[in-house]
Amino acid sequence: DTEVTQTPKHLVMGMTNKKSLKCEQHMGHRAMYWYKQKAKKPPELMFVYSYEKLSINESVPSRFSPECPNSSLLNLHLHALQPEDSALYLCASSQGSLRGGGNQPQHFGDGTRLSIL
Amino acid sequence: SQQGEEDPQALSIQEGENATMNCSYKTSINNLQWYRQNSGRGLVHLILIRSNEREKHSGRLRVTLDTSKKSSSLLITASRAADTASYFCATRAGGTSYGKLTFGQGTILTVHP
Repeated sequence: DTEVTQTPKHLVMGMTNKKSLKCEQHMGHRAMYWYKQKAKKPPELMFVYSYEKLSINESVPSRFSPECPNSSLLNLHLHALQPEDSALYLCASSQGSLRGGGNQPQHFGDGTRLSIL
Repeated sequence: SQQGEEDPQALSIQEGENATMNCSYKTSINNLQWYRQNSGRGLVHLILIRSNEREKHSGRLRVTLDTSKKSSSLLITASRAADTASYFCATRAGGTSYGKLTFGQGTILTVHP
């Protein structure tokens, strides 16, 4: 079992649907991350939140909208996705602020496997 | 080009043998981390080595870092079937990149019982 919980584990949606991915951690971490991972590829960073504020957006298309309601929760809202958005979406967290957080390991959830029809 | 290139891309060994994976990177780094990913699961942090460190051990894992060559290696000794997984190096750049990690392409390790 991981300390970062992601729901749902699997999601199939049409290109016109709106859905949300959820991530939760109770380790007191103040930095949280969204990654996208295609099959047999490394994770690619999408967003970073530090103390509930968006710190890094890696030029992600606006059809992906992150939200950090509190220090334990991270959401990724999905709308009008394309077939190429099918992937494993991973959430991670780490201690401290970004300035100090870079020397701390990241803790990953098991991801949401997303399929776009 | 990709920060954090790894070789080999795939490695197949017998239980009890040692496995060595290499990682090269291009820019200056603050630290380098190694992660393991079992099929269908998230990544698990294995070890972090800072730019001013040369070698680090954790159980059966040994990591070396050569900043002059911009390379690192991960050695798994006395491998077990349970070590079968993908292994990724990840670099945290210096400067203002803060907590951003850039992952290498990964090495797929298969350990045969």
